[in-house]
Amino acid sequence: EAGVTQFPSHSVIEKGQTVTLRCDPISGHDNLYWYRRVMGKEIKFLLHFVKESKQDESGMPNNRFLAERTGGTYSTLKVQPAELEDSGVYFCASSLMEPNEKLFFGSGTQLSVL
Amino acid sequence: GDSVTQMEGPVTLSEEAFLTINCTYTATGYPSLFWYVQYPGEGLQLLLKATKADDKGSNKGFEATYRKETTSFHLEKGSVQVSDSAVYFCALSKAAGNKLTFGGGTRVLVKP
Repeated sequence: EAGVTQFPSHSVIEKGQTVTLRCDPISGHDNLYWYRRVMGKEIKFLLHFVKESKQDESGMPNNRFLAERTGGTYSTLKVQPAELEDSGVYFCASSLMEPNEKLFFGSGTQLSVL
Repeated sequence: GDSVTQMEGPVTLSEEAFLTINCTYTATGYPSLFWYVQYPGEGLQLLLKATKADDKGSNKGFEATYRKETTSFHLEKGSVQVSDSAVYFCALSKAAGNKLTFGGGTRVLVKP
């Protein structure tokens, strides 16, 4: 069974550019989460999808970040325009059901904004 | 708000040494507690968890006990191997959903 897949694994962009990160959850997982780790600090929650609906987007830092999950399958996270402080590792995770159902994480996208 | 504090690394130790990574938390209610591990080049994996006070989670020789009186969930392993080299994250979640609150992570390096 394929795990959670994230693409790209690394992205280097300049300040002001746009970047789109993609996450393919495990097939059949309705729950999809985005997290990020900035500058080696804590991993922080960004948002949670249940199928195609945003269940909780309280962790989204500002309106430069847009997450979508059309059709309830893969998800994208777009940063436009990117700022220096957006650099970090963006993790995606998926699970079958909640509460406290086991989360499966992807290996993350390392984003560097120069 | 909820928070998790864990010891900063890196922690460097020799094979077969005893490992302890301290983790304390601040949260309202009765959270579930987790340890996740990230091996080089991989995603986070659930290592163990405990859902109520005095529960002990264990896996791969690692153990952690949910101590409500000290709000702690320290990770221990009696004899580490080189393959245990990784970053370890302590985390908590509330009953509603899988929104995890993580600590800052502790890098562990085990030398042969």
